[in-house]
Amino acid sequence: AQSVAQPEDQVNVAEGNPLTVKCTYSVSGNPYLFWYVQYPNRGLQFLLKYITGDNLVKGSYGFEAEFNKSQTSFHLKKPSALVSDSALYFCAVKGYSTLTFGKGTMLLVSP
Amino acid sequence: DTEVTQTPKHLVMGMTNKKSLKCEQHMGHRAMYWYKQKAKKPPELMFVYSYEKLSINESVPSRFSPECPNSSLLNLHLHALQPEDSALYLCASSQDTSQGGDSNQPQHFGDGTRLSIL
Repeated sequence: AQSVAQPEDQVNVAEGNPLTVKCTYSVSGNPYLFWYVQYPNRGLQFLLKYITGDNLVKGSYGFEAEFNKSQTSFHLKKPSALVSDSALYFCAVKGYSTLTFGKGTMLLVSP
Repeated sequence: DTEVTQTPKHLVMGMTNKKSLKCEQHMGHRAMYWYKQKAKKPPELMFVYSYEKLSINESVPSRFSPECPNSSLLNLHLHALQPEDSALYLCASSQDTSQGGDSNQPQHFGDGTRLSIL
């Protein structure tokens, strides 16, 4: 069975500071990893994915994620947070079966 | 704007009503999905269609009935729902031809239908 853990319910960061949203996963075989963002009253928007290759993946809106196979982690990062980044973030893994989401992390960026 | 369009955006219905949710995509995707999402929780997979055939039903109660009339459209027919069925219903699509296969394509989500059962 595959699973995703997002250990933080909420992450608070000041605008302009770097942000990290944590994600660890468990899956048999090579993982396909995804980050999605959900703004209020909207669906999920795809940010980035890791399939293979470079461990640092760049995505939309200046976000990037670092894949670490030994730690089975796929943390989402951004060098300088914006207030408009405030939203609910989901990490997801796709092994051989369906897409499995983490519980989500609310990111709050204060002015 | 999302590339997956869902209608209606909001729906209020009684427990005895029959209604339908609609989803449309024009990206040429051959896999389409229905999810249920409660507030501040992750989406829960309900159904998967692959090439217009139902490939996954996650033990969803029969009061939810999916339909895929063609490769661009996905419906969810609702009948005799319960108050606990109140949620955001999300449709998604992807290029995947097999949910169980080795695929790396992301799913594209619509903005959902917010359903309230009285």
